[in-house]
Amino acid sequence: GAGVSQSPSNKVTEKGKDVELRCDPISGHTALYWYRQSLGQGLEFLIYFQGNSAPDKSGLPSDRFSAERTGGSVSTLTIQRTQQEDSAVYLCASSHTSGRASEQFFGPGTRLTVL
Amino acid sequence: AQKITQTQPGMFVQEKEAVTLDCTYDTSDQSYGLFWYKQPSSGEMIFLIYQGSYDEQNATEGRYSLNFQKARKSANLVISASQLGDSAMYFCAMREAGTALIFGKGTTLSVSS
Repeated sequence: GAGVSQSPSNKVTEKGKDVELRCDPISGHTALYWYRQSLGQGLEFLIYFQGNSAPDKSGLPSDRFSAERTGGSVSTLTIQRTQQEDSAVYLCASSHTSGRASEQFFGPGTRLTVL
Repeated sequence: AQKITQTQPGMFVQEKEAVTLDCTYDTSDQSYGLFWYKQPSSGEMIFLIYQGSYDEQNATEGRYSLNFQKARKSANLVISASQLGDSAMYFCAMREAGTALIFGKGTTLSVSS
């Protein structure tokens, strides 16, 4: 299948450690999004990449969070000095364009647990 | 202020009955899109239906329809003939031009036999 893939599926880390989460979008999709979903809650927008434009980082909760997208494809979300409140499912999505009607296809998520 | 409001934390319905999940939104843009996603216990996000702000007809996709009332800024999801497999969390979301999706907090739907 050519859906959005994310790795790892689960990550357990200790407080204070850095983690990297990876997202492989659907081939040809120019837009890529990261969201966070805490237990039983809705999705919280983190960051959005569209083509070669500067990313929209307005949703990043602190400067411990950063993301990059290499070659317009794979993206890595990095959380430095993890805290227990960072525990959540991190979801990546991609869409063909950034138009308002463009459906976002979601990956299966990475469940992050910070001990 | 919340941009997407889903006022029903939980809804219960019997098989074969119809159910309406409420969603209201807040935007000053004229051009926007409204989406509904389903999230079963497995965690995947499944796209259900889309309504554009300029669409005059209510969107329909199989058993799903979107009751779009633009003046009231309402985009309720109607599921007809509920099935056990419809039990899941349902999220309403909005997208303004050039932005990511903004999600509501969701409604948990439980379908019983």
